[in-house]
Amino acid sequence: GAGVSQTPSNKVTEKGKYVELRCDPISGHTALYWYRQSLGQGPEFLIYFQGTGAADDSGLPNDRFFAVRPEGSVSTLKIQRTERGDSAVYLCASSPSQNTEAFFGQGTRLTVV
Amino acid sequence: QKEVEQNSGPLSVPEGAIASLNCTYSDRGSQSFFWYRQYSGKSPELIMSIYSNGDKEDGRFTAQLNKASQYVSLLIRDSQPSDSATYLCAVNPFFNKFYFGSGTKLNVKP
Repeated sequence: GAGVSQTPSNKVTEKGKYVELRCDPISGHTALYWYRQSLGQGPEFLIYFQGTGAADDSGLPNDRFFAVRPEGSVSTLKIQRTERGDSAVYLCASSPSQNTEAFFGQGTRLTVV
Repeated sequence: QKEVEQNSGPLSVPEGAIASLNCTYSDRGSQSFFWYRQYSGKSPELIMSIYSNGDKEDGRFTAQLNKASQYVSLLIRDSQPSDSATYLCAVNPFFNKFYFGSGTKLNVKP
């Protein structure tokens, strides 16, 4: 595909459950970002990967959140023991390298009930 | 102080007018700046990037950067109803993450 692909588009889960959100970046893009966006707000930084390593995870709100990118391409954001406050749109973006333009996927809308 | 500040709007302009959107940022060492457009219920779409002081034009869009004043703006000429969206300013100060403003909602009235 030409763009960043995120799955699922929507996820409804019960409080306390575990969820995984997947991001497939643009082919060849080494930088990958996860953001979270709540209604009426701008995207909030969660984590940045350069290749396989998490270069900056300072935005992860707590230890329930974890992300991996084992082969330097697809990334998975994992949320344990979900809480209602985790409900938001989770956005993934990729760019050819750091400090260049980033392109977003369509997002995953997570609803915790 | 937030890293990126934008007026939330809404900014209303008539069709055909120039829309002017503004953004200030706090980190003086920032090197790259971006404008994204976001339609309701959709993800952000990159429309402009700017890296050096001055103006950069792309079709009806002009981005302006003034690093001394820590100020970025976006001008939309000949505004169309299809330009109605939220415009997000993004700044990359540390080469590893983008900080976004909360966005300015633009309404272009036919």
